[in-house]
Amino acid sequence: DAGVIQSPRHEVTEMGQEVTLRCKPISGHDYLFWYRQTMMRGLELLIYFNNNVPIDDSGMPEDRFSAKMPNASFSTLKIQPSEPRDSAVYFCASSLSRARRSSYEQYFGPGTRLTVT
Amino acid sequence: DAKTTQPPSMDCAEGRAANLPCNHSTISGNEYVYWYRQIHSQGPQYIIHGLKNNETNEMASLIITEDRKSSTLILPHATLRDTAVYYCIVRVVNDYKLSFGAGTTVTVRA
Repeated sequence: DAGVIQSPRHEVTEMGQEVTLRCKPISGHDYLFWYRQTMMRGLELLIYFNNNVPIDDSGMPEDRFSAKMPNASFSTLKIQPSEPRDSAVYFCASSLSRARRSSYEQYFGPGTRLTVT
Repeated sequence: DAKTTQPPSMDCAEGRAANLPCNHSTISGNEYVYWYRQIHSQGPQYIIHGLKNNETNEMASLIITEDRKSSTLILPHATLRDTAVYYCIVRVVNDYKLSFGAGTTVTVRA
């Protein structure tokens, strides 16, 4: 199993540009999560999906951020327009609701390091 | 409002047991205790979870006090590869959200 796949691993862009981060969850998992990690705020949940449907987007910082999950094997997190304060590591994670012992274990991808100049 | 309290850092000698404390004095009966760790530049990794009984798996042991107000994660034989930030998280049953605090930075020294 390849695990959760994220691309790109690193992204450097200029302020005002559109940024799209991509995630492929583990096959068969029915939950997908997007997190953001910064030194100041730590690891924050932005949004999560169940069976491709957004369940809770209360962590999305503002309207510049949007996330989609068009099918069970792909999700995107888009920032438009990007700002320097969006610089962070963005993690995608997936989970299986029918896991053993109801562990709800989340499997994290390697992250995308975003730098907005 | 933090649901858990952990020491910011701790050192451990390689080969020795590492005991990581976590205080969750306001935990409710329908909340689990989870532990994750994050090795530098990687995504967090699940370690173990429990409700009220002690648990053990191939990575660690989780000891939960009888009143459930605190717990200890035990790494039985710490190695240099166990150097990481360890997060203690309280999660409501059937709620898929995880709230990460600052965690404990554990440094295993040779």
